[in-house]
Amino acid sequence: EPEVTQTPSHQVTQMGQEVILRCVPISNHLYFYWYRQILGQKVEFLVSFYNNEISEKSEIFDDQFSVERPDGSNFTLKIRSTKLEDSAMYFCASSFEGTINGYTFGSGTRLTVV
Amino acid sequence: ILNVEQSPQSLHVQEGDSTNFTCSFPSSNFYALHWYRWETAKSPEALFVMTLNGDEKKKGRISATLNTKEGYSYLYIKGSQPEDSATYLCAFPSGSRLTFGEGTQLTVNP
Repeated sequence: EPEVTQTPSHQVTQMGQEVILRCVPISNHLYFYWYRQILGQKVEFLVSFYNNEISEKSEIFDDQFSVERPDGSNFTLKIRSTKLEDSAMYFCASSFEGTINGYTFGSGTRLTVV
Repeated sequence: ILNVEQSPQSLHVQEGDSTNFTCSFPSSNFYALHWYRWETAKSPEALFVMTLNGDEKKKGRISATLNTKEGYSYLYIKGSQPEDSATYLCAFPSGSRLTFGEGTQLTVNP
């Protein structure tokens, strides 16, 4: 069964530092996403990516966030200057045909900002 | 802001019990509803994508129904087993994003 892989599984970073969360989506999928879940809250949408560009982003996804697909296999989320409130579980997901298909999620990166 | 609600928030049942939980979503501009199963320390796993009013989908002992006119979906588990213990999430697509409910945490006691 194809998987979405995420690294690292857990990252601790100092407030103000930059972090890059990495994802390898399923190879024939065309749509890529980042979601996050702050402890005790709902899973929330950050950004969707299709055809090498952002197709939609949420109000959370401000100038501190960026995404990239640098080499056709990796899909990264960068947070430029982390804040305490960025502490969350970050999930990458991919799908073949967008939201009409179920997503395949990675197992997440737990980001802790101290 | 879309309102996707799930109930109950948590549920404890005995092995062998059948159970069901609810997802409510906006009935306007509907085109799909997703159900996911999320076990602790694992990734959410897609169960169903429901698209047609009145549709029923089944995967083993788990089934789901959909009422798009009144804006709800039920997930049923027949003869619950301890391995069914997980959080069950529904999600409503709008544009290219999914809006998730808060989930129903199911615990099946042996």
